[in-house]
Amino acid sequence: KQEVTQIPAALSVPEGENLVLNCSFTDSAIYNLQWFRQDPGKGLTSLLLIQSSQREQTSGRLNASLDKSSGRSTLYIAASQPGDSATYLCAVIVHYGGATNKLIFGTGTLLAVQP
Amino acid sequence: GAVVSQHPSWVICKSGTSVKIECRSLDFQATTMFWYRQFPKQSLMLMATSNEGSKATYEQGVEKDKFLINHASLTLSTLTVTSAHPEDSSFYICSAILANYNEQFFGPGTRLTVL
Repeated sequence: KQEVTQIPAALSVPEGENLVLNCSFTDSAIYNLQWFRQDPGKGLTSLLLIQSSQREQTSGRLNASLDKSSGRSTLYIAASQPGDSATYLCAVIVHYGGATNKLIFGTGTLLAVQP
Repeated sequence: GAVVSQHPSWVICKSGTSVKIECRSLDFQATTMFWYRQFPKQSLMLMATSNEGSKATYEQGVEKDKFLINHASLTLSTLTVTSAHPEDSSFYICSAILANYNEQFFGPGTRLTVL
């Protein structure tokens, strides 16, 4: 059974700091991995999607890496800003039957960036 | 593009009543939609997969007679929580897959509170 874990569960940093969020999964048979942001009481915003054949993806101040063999992904946020404060979720995408894939979400990291 | 809406955004109901939540893909046709539930400070858990014109596939532990799913068209799926109880209070989020495309697009969520 695939399990996705995120460490740390919560993180508080001063503005401007670079930080790394960790995601680990138990079964390396994944299609892709995706990082999301969730603001309190809101839905999900997709940040980065890494295909299984890729090692990393970058978007602005965000960089996500994937190491399938070790079952790990990291999300690097450069020069953090108070607006980055949110819960960050990683999800592995696995085959679900037919042509459908399924997302299995991690436990999330609650990030607070202090001004 | 790829916008998914949910209605209502929040609902409060009395114990024993039924509540219907709508999920719509606004600018694309979705052959498959997913329903997730998120309890406070927890991650998203997949409840069921909804395919247009066929019965939904429920995850283990999710009561299909309690959570009725109808996917009557390529742009609309509904989740009805029947005989709701306080323990059903949660944040319900849907997602939709664009046909022949691998990525899920998420709705903004519906906050259900059962008194």
